[in-house]
Amino acid sequence: AQKVTQAQTEISVVEKEDVTLDCVYETRDTTYYLFWYKQPPSGELVFLIRRNSFDEQNEISGRYSWNFQKSTSSFNFTITASQVVDSAVYFCALSGTSYGKLTFGQGTILTVHP
Amino acid sequence: ETGVTQTPRHLVMGMTNKKSLKCEQHLGHNAMYWYKQSAKKPLELMFVYNFKEQTENNSVPSRFSPECPNSSHLFLHLHTLQPEDSALYLCASSPQSAPLLGTEAFFGQGTRLTVV
Repeated sequence: AQKVTQAQTEISVVEKEDVTLDCVYETRDTTYYLFWYKQPPSGELVFLIRRNSFDEQNEISGRYSWNFQKSTSSFNFTITASQVVDSAVYFCALSGTSYGKLTFGQGTILTVHP
Repeated sequence: ETGVTQTPRHLVMGMTNKKSLKCEQHLGHNAMYWYKQSAKKPLELMFVYNFKEQTENNSVPSRFSPECPNSSHLFLHLHTLQPEDSALYLCASSPQSAPLLGTEAFFGQGTRLTVV
């Protein structure tokens, strides 16, 4: 079985603050992939990043960065200098070899105030 | 624009009505999915189609009936729904399904369904 936990239900920050969204996962697979999706008010889930279980290098893309740590089964997402347009629901997801479909966390609602 | 289009965007239906949700993708993908997103719950995978064949049904009640006439189109037929079925129904596609090793899914904007 695979499981994704996003313990933070809602986060509220003021513009320009840094914010980290936590994601903890469980899987028995040794090969798996982790994802982050953003769901703006329009509804569709927008793919942000994919990471495979053999690549623990952190990744930075503009104001976004991701910290993958297998030792703690975590794949956290940090937004630096947050902006109002970052307000959305963010989902962490996992897919592994034994269950190839995406398993999503409950999502974190991020609100960035001007 | 993700390439996955869902219609209608909003739907209000009575418990005795019959309606259908439509999903269309022209990304050349072979797998399509229906997800249900209810308030304060994780996304629930409902159905998976791979090369037009249904490969997964996650114990979804029979009042939800999927149809995949070709790799580009996916329908969800609804009949005699309950108020608790009110949710955002999301369609997604990916190049292929299980094992979905590292292939991200592309999502539509969803249909906001309200059952009255």
